[in-house]
Amino acid sequence: QVQLQQSGAELVKPGSSVKLSCKASGYTFTDYAMKWVKQRTGQGLEWIGVIDPEIDATAYNEKFKGKATLTADTSSNTAYMELSRLTSEDSAVYYCTRPSTVAAGWFAYWGQGTLVTVSS
Amino acid sequence: DIQMTQSPASLSASLGETVTIECRASEDIYSNLAWYQQKPGNSPQLLIYDANSLADGVPSRFSGSGSGTQYSLKINSLQSEDVASYFCQQYNNYPFTFGSGTKLEIK
Repeated sequence: QVQLQQSGAELVKPGSSVKLSCKASGYTFTDYAMKWVKQRTGQGLEWIGVIDPEIDATAYNEKFKGKATLTADTSSNTAYMELSRLTSEDSAVYYCTRPSTVAAGWFAYWGQGTLVTVSS
Repeated sequence: DIQMTQSPASLSASLGETVTIECRASEDIYSNLAWYQQKPGNSPQLLIYDANSLADGVPSRFSGSGSGTQYSLKINSLQSEDVASYFCQQYNNYPFTFGSGTKLEIK
């Protein structure tokens, strides 16, 4: 079955960077794009961007350009998201997600989320 | 960006009742809409896609409807396990955007 296993919680200092991982299993990693979503505590969800691991192409929500960088390692079936110049506004749970079909716009599979806390 | 206005923000209903959550898009999204359920401490789970298609394994008491800019999620015969937050999401245009959520509680 499809599984997305995300890395553990991070406590990071303002101004620093953090790299989150999402290891995929149960399907062919290069067949599906991986999308990332942000959720601040008690608040709604924001789409950050998407990476196509097969061609290493990315697309970002304008709001997250310069903040998030998406990469993928096809040898380990792992997607990564690096967040830079962290501020308190970046404290949130970050999810990796996968659609149910190649062309689907909805998020059928979700990782368990990675909590990022930005604090000095 | 397409704005998704979701209402109500919170809802309290009795077991066995029927509840409806609404989502309005700032422009026509041509039924490219999904609904998710998120229980406390968990990741969101897909309930509905394409406005009215039930995702695999989702109980039939959940249903979606709507078109154009107006959409709704209906939960029939409310169960205790339905206590959660519910979000709509449009995928007609990038960036995909979500509603602000509805928190459902049992009276």
